[in-house]
Amino acid sequence: SQQGEEDPQALSIQEGENATMNCSYKTSINNLQWYRQNSGRGLVHLILIRSNEREKHSGRLRVTLDTSKKSSSLLITASRAADTASYFCARTNFGNEKLTFGTGTRLTIIP
Amino acid sequence: SQTIHQWPATLVQPVGSPLSLECTVEGTSNPNLYWYRQAAGRGLQLLFYSVGIGQISSEVPQNLSASRPQDRQFILSSKKLLLSDSGFYLCAWSKGLGTGELFFGEGSRLTVL
Repeated sequence: SQQGEEDPQALSIQEGENATMNCSYKTSINNLQWYRQNSGRGLVHLILIRSNEREKHSGRLRVTLDTSKKSSSLLITASRAADTASYFCARTNFGNEKLTFGTGTRLTIIP
Repeated sequence: SQTIHQWPATLVQPVGSPLSLECTVEGTSNPNLYWYRQAAGRGLQLLFYSVGIGQISSEVPQNLSASRPQDRQFILSSKKLLLSDSGFYLCAWSKGLGTGELFFGEGSRLTVL
């Protein structure tokens, strides 16, 4: 499968803790993106990291990319109850420029 | 600003009935348009994408079809629904193919009985 694999599939943490989600893939990428989906809603873009970048920040979000290991991680610091959602990584591959989504991590923040 | 509208939000259809889901984008021209399907608790599967009027690419063989009659209108259809067509359908647009983020609609939940 060309789908990315998010790990873990589900994660529950206490409010205020940091949440880390990982994404692995199999083929060389052009860029990798992270999206958030609240239950029953559409997806919202969070951050894009290009294949020549190693780390990007946006507010409480930090994304890293290790192309040698074909993996990326999304870190949410100081989590809030409102961060409860599913998080997906998606990537474009060289020669196939459509986004391919992973299976997602369901994050639950316990107040 | 750009907006994307998708409807209906929810529908329940009997097996063998037709389907039409509609998506429109406002505030941009010549967007790339996409239809994704999301099974319960699963990731997104790309069904169709379009880079222009009348240009439709299908990603997987299936019981569905797509059309783009106008620049900012994308329609997902079926002549006869199957039980396996149930799912959450998401329309999205982007400025370039593979060059940036997707902007998603709110989704249409289809239940085929």
